[in-house]
Amino acid sequence: GIQVEQSPPDLILQEGANSTLRCNFSDSVNNLQWFHQNPWGQLINLFYIPSGTKQNGRLSATTVATERYSLLYISSSQTTDSGVYFCAVESVKGGSEKLVFGKGTKLTVNP
Amino acid sequence: DSGVTQTPKHLITATGQRVTLRCSPRSGDLSVYWYQQSLDQGLQFLIQYYNGEERAKGNILERFSAQQFPDLHSELNLSSLELGDSALYFCASSDREWNYGYTFGSGTRLTVV
Repeated sequence: GIQVEQSPPDLILQEGANSTLRCNFSDSVNNLQWFHQNPWGQLINLFYIPSGTKQNGRLSATTVATERYSLLYISSSQTTDSGVYFCAVESVKGGSEKLVFGKGTKLTVNP
Repeated sequence: DSGVTQTPKHLITATGQRVTLRCSPRSGDLSVYWYQQSLDQGLQFLIQYYNGEERAKGNILERFSAQQFPDLHSELNLSSLELGDSALYFCASSDREWNYGYTFGSGTRLTVV
């Protein structure tokens, strides 16, 4: 099945810093989403971005489908950005109608 | 509120018992997915239902079963529970027509003691 690799696995920042999280995937996809899992365990959908670029406030994401990677940018980080960021993809191959998750990037933003 | 409702939020039960987790998908979504998140396995796909029919199976144990009812809500039944079944169980729904992707509920935290 499709493989999803996220980097870095851990990231520690000071408040106000910028960061880039990366997601590589092994096959063509028709869906890619970025999620934030907060300390309470909730999975918050950040972006639905199978291709192109999107922005939402301090967060933006870019997916280059032809090169099989996606990037999540966090600018001016805040302590509330702490948590685990997951990239998840759905393969275009038939019979694979499900999201496959990477192992996540654990972000800690210190005040 | 994501629009996907899961109950209960927390569940503590003893080994050998059976529990039922419930999920109501976002209005209009026909597909329901169940995922398990444990510390050592990450987020694992269990099973998918589409408009009442089983569509895809993942790493779901034989002790686990699910169904989707005519009103589209779904239940995940976990039986003969073991300590290792302790995990966060998420339900998600999707709307393939509008391409919003998958929306996840807030999860049920199951603790088996």
